[in-house]
Amino acid sequence: AQSVTQLGSHVSVSEGALVLLRCNYSSSVPPYLFWYVQYPNQGLQLLLKYTSAATLVKGINGFEAEFKKSETSFHLTKPSAHMSDAAEYFCAVSKGASGSRLTFGEGTQLTVNP
Amino acid sequence: KAGVTQTPRYLIKTRGQQVTLSCSPISGHRSVSWYQQTPGQGLQFLFEYFSETQRNKGNFPGRFSGRQFSNSRSEMNVSTLELGDSALYLCASSGGQGNTEAFFGQGTRLTVV
Repeated sequence: AQSVTQLGSHVSVSEGALVLLRCNYSSSVPPYLFWYVQYPNQGLQLLLKYTSAATLVKGINGFEAEFKKSETSFHLTKPSAHMSDAAEYFCAVSKGASGSRLTFGEGTQLTVNP
Repeated sequence: KAGVTQTPRYLIKTRGQQVTLSCSPISGHRSVSWYQQTPGQGLQFLFEYFSETQRNKGNFPGRFSGRQFSNSRSEMNVSTLELGDSALYLCASSGGQGNTEAFFGQGTRLTVV
């Protein structure tokens, strides 16, 4: 069975500081990994995805994530936080390439302080 | 290109009633998945439909059912509603074959009183 674990249900950073959201996965087969963002009362928006093409994945809004097989990790980073980044972030894993059956982590609420 | 459309956005139902939620996927997408999001359980996979057939199913009771029509639109039904069914129900569509991302709708907020 596949699973992801997000370390830290709440992360708080200052505007302009580095954002680091942690995700570790467990999978018996090469995983497809995703990061989604959710704003209040909204659906999920895809930030980026890993599909084995490159270990460093760049996404929208300045986010990127690095796939590290040795550490079974797929942490999300952004060099400089913006107030508009405040939201909940979800790491997800899919066994198939279609991304149609996702297993989500518990989510990390990101707060950005002025 | 229109996104994933879910209707209605908000619903209030009474315990014991049934409810039907609708999802229109992105044009050309043949896979529709449904998820339940609650504060306690997080995001959980309900089921996936592809070309009118249920392809995958999560660990939910039989009160939760769904279907997909020939135009790929999907509905999910919850019968004999319980207070614990209060949640945000999200629908996602994807190409289903080789397409590696799912696009989500804004969800339907169901409140059971």
